[in-house]
Amino acid sequence: TQLLEQSPQFLSIQEGENLTVYCNSSSVFSSLQWYRQEPGEGPVLLVTVVTGGEVKKLKRLTFQFGDARKDSSLHITAAQPGDTGLYLCAGEAAGWNYQLIWGAGTKLIIKP
Amino acid sequence: NAGVMQNPRHLVRRRGQEARLRCSPMKGHSHVYWYRQLPEEGLKFMVYLQKENIIDESGMPKERFSAEFPKEGPSILRIQQVVRGDSAAYFCASSGLAGDTQYFGPGTRLTVL
Repeated sequence: TQLLEQSPQFLSIQEGENLTVYCNSSSVFSSLQWYRQEPGEGPVLLVTVVTGGEVKKLKRLTFQFGDARKDSSLHITAAQPGDTGLYLCAGEAAGWNYQLIWGAGTKLIIKP
Repeated sequence: NAGVMQNPRHLVRRRGQEARLRCSPMKGHSHVYWYRQLPEEGLKFMVYLQKENIIDESGMPKERFSAEFPKEGPSILRIQQVVRGDSAAYFCASSGLAGDTQYFGPGTRLTVL
């Protein structure tokens, strides 16, 4: 069974600080996606990374896919209260181009 | 272009009743996926459907759960004889092609009393 482990599960920091969220697996994924989910809503796609070593930036968010395509990280610079939410990673298993494997999520709270 | 729509947003059922969850995919999308999310957990794949076809139902319990995506109308996830353990958020996603980005609906929160 393929698993994606996210860490930390919960993070509460002050506005302006930097943070990194990790998504790790022992399995290789053909792509990995990061989502943000607000309470009572569905996940919203932030980014998809496909190539090993790939780095993508979305304003203050930097996403990296590991060279071996087994892990990924999300780094937020100068966090703001608007970044508060549940961040989920989901991997597309090799050979299953529709069945996403999900991490349990990182609940992020940014205090003003 | 309307996004993925799900209804109802909240559903309360007593044990033994039936729950019907509806999903209208994004316009132009013919691939629908259903996921279940328990509190403090990630999403778990349940079933993947195309119009009039179930492609993969490997994540769906064999009993009491069924799904369909008719030629006309929304996709339906049906849970018969609900039990308390069925309480969860059920999300539907759609894509234009298999393997394309999946866009999620707002979910249906099912509570079984």
